[in-house]
Amino acid sequence: ELKVEQNPLFLSMQEGKNYTIYCNYSTTSDRLYWYRQDPGKSLESLFVLLSNGAVKQEGRLMASLDTKARLSTLHITAAVHDLSATYFCAVDPQGGSEKLVFGKGTKLTVNP
Amino acid sequence: SQTIHQWPATLVQPVGSPLSLECTVEGTSNPNLYWYRQAAGRGLQLLFYSVGIGQISSEVPQNLSASRPQDRQFILSSKKLLLSDSGFYLCAWRATSNQPQHFGDGTRLSIL
Repeated sequence: ELKVEQNPLFLSMQEGKNYTIYCNYSTTSDRLYWYRQDPGKSLESLFVLLSNGAVKQEGRLMASLDTKARLSTLHITAAVHDLSATYFCAVDPQGGSEKLVFGKGTKLTVNP
Repeated sequence: SQTIHQWPATLVQPVGSPLSLECTVEGTSNPNLYWYRQAAGRGLQLLFYSVGIGQISSEVPQNLSASRPQDRQFILSSKKLLLSDSGFYLCAWRATSNQPQHFGDGTRLSIL
């Protein structure tokens, strides 16, 4: 059974700093997704990573996937308050499945 | 373009009352459809998913049921709500296994 672990679960950082959120998963997969959820809102798709070594960047966020290590990272560069949200990673089990397995989410707070 | 509609946005119901939440998708055919529940400050719990009309897979035994009477319509129901049914309910759709799930705006359900 595929398990997805994110860490940290809570992250408080200052504006202008850099940090990385980690997403580890337990079984082989080469398809991983990152989502953002603002308080009281739904989930918004951020990145789609579909192969080993995939790297996607949008603004101050960069996501990467290492399928051999079963690890994805979401790197935050020079954080700003607007990035405060909860970030989820989700993994497609190898071999095809109709279901994504989500991590528990990382709640990011960026302080001025 | 594809859009997903979910309603109502907010619902307050007494214990023991019935429930019907509706979700429709536009701009695509034969999507996979999903119902999730999110407790306050928590991760996502997959409740049901459907790969076609009349095809429902249940993930967690509970007080809820789901139906898919039309290709792009997904309904979440209960005959008698419990206090533990409170939460944020999210509907999502997905085209293929190489695509992310796209979420509706959610329904915030409070049981009194």
